[in-house]
Amino acid sequence: QSVLTQPPSASGTPGQRVTISCSGSSSNIGSNTVNWYQQLPGTAPKLLIYSNNQRPSGVPDRFSGSKSGTSASLAISGLQSEDEADYYCAAWDDSLNGHVVFGGGTKLTVL
Amino acid sequence: QVQLQESGPGLVKPSETLSLTCTVSGGSISSYYWSWIRQPPGKGLEWIGYIYYSGSTNYNPSLKSRVTISVDTSKNQFSLKLSSVTAADTAVYYCARARRGGSSHYYYYMDVWGKGTTVTVSS
Repeated sequence: QSVLTQPPSASGTPGQRVTISCSGSSSNIGSNTVNWYQQLPGTAPKLLIYSNNQRPSGVPDRFSGSKSGTSASLAISGLQSEDEADYYCAAWDDSLNGHVVFGGGTKLTVL
Repeated sequence: QVQLQESGPGLVKPSETLSLTCTVSGGSISSYYWSWIRQPPGKGLEWIGYIYYSGSTNYNPSLKSRVTISVDTSKNQFSLKLSSVTAADTAVYYCARARRGGSSHYYYYMDVWGKGTTVTVSS
């Protein structure tokens, strides 16, 4: 059972906008910034969003992140077939001397 | 650009120690944090811990008693040792570069990842 809670699955059709939620607590999302990772099938995770809403160089602006209180969201607009992947949220947790916690992951299917 | 490559045995016997090394190329290991993350088959990601180039470490509380991460700046490498392994430690192990900082809202994210190496625990 993951510390951060994500829906196990999400889906959308090409061109659609989809959002993936990530729920935490005061010791993680409520206190620190949220990151999102994209894992395409058979590959290593890739940083998609950092510090709640910042995109690394090369990440399309179709991907955006937001945070409010102890929850965060990843939005993907103009959905494309190559967006089909697993998406993980993560944050630093202040408990137990501090450590990184992940969400369980959301498998996004492009219909 | 910076690249990371994991190396080590793909098969470890139960109760023994898993040892992996991550080699950093295309940049210096100095001035960054370096992490290990693992992913059991068909499951999600689990953070194992980090080491700063100076040698300070922080581990996942659930693994802390069995984990040691070390760094060799002369070789631009950092390493993972996980003792007393069981089948539950079977996973793909990734190394990654991490950025850390902040005051009121702490940030920690992993911006460069290795391709991962599969470790199976079996007799």
